[in-house]
Amino acid sequence: GDSVTQMEGPVTLSEEAFLTINCTYTATGYPSLFWYVQYPGEGLQLLLKATKADDKGSNKGFEATYRKETTSFHLEKGSVQVSDSAVYFCASQGGSEKLVFGKGTKLTVNP
Amino acid sequence: GAVVSQHPSRVICKSGTSVKIECRSLDFQATTMFWYRQFPKQSLMLMATSNEGSKATYEQGVEKDKFLINHASLTLSTLTVTSAHPEDSSFYICSASRGRAYEQYFGPGTRLTVT
Repeated sequence: GDSVTQMEGPVTLSEEAFLTINCTYTATGYPSLFWYVQYPGEGLQLLLKATKADDKGSNKGFEATYRKETTSFHLEKGSVQVSDSAVYFCASQGGSEKLVFGKGTKLTVNP
Repeated sequence: GAVVSQHPSRVICKSGTSVKIECRSLDFQATTMFWYRQFPKQSLMLMATSNEGSKATYEQGVEKDKFLINHASLTLSTLTVTSAHPEDSSFYICSASRGRAYEQYFGPGTRLTVT
């Protein structure tokens, strides 16, 4: 079945550092891909998404590009802030319309 | 924005008792609601999908008689864990959407501890 693998955390960075969280997927067909963020004490929020190959999703300075050739959807941000500290989940959604999640990566940004 | 609440946020119950978790969409009508379970350092695992007014569709391996799901209105779904055991201790998360092809909005989760 479909699966999502994302880099294990936790990730600790200093403010203004560059962030990459790797995510790869396996799926039949061409799923839609998502990044969700979960701030402490809150529910998951959609951060960005891409629905077809070569699409780039972006929001709040975060970006991820749907790479069909490498089956990847890596999350990047050029300069992280303390307020970006959260758990980030990569997810795919295929023909069944069910969301399949990675295990989550906890990011801590120190001032 | 679309807000989904869950109640309670934390619950502790004794082994053998039942516990009900509520999931509410506060500012939109949720035709479809989803229930997930999350173990520590694991991904969210879909337990079941429910459509308002009809029976829930359970994922393989999820006991429908143990995890009772009711979606009686467009703003409320409930998950009842019957005859709970310590292995049912987990973080339960619901999400709601306006329909299967629409974005899912997630609740903050409920931490269940069975002693």
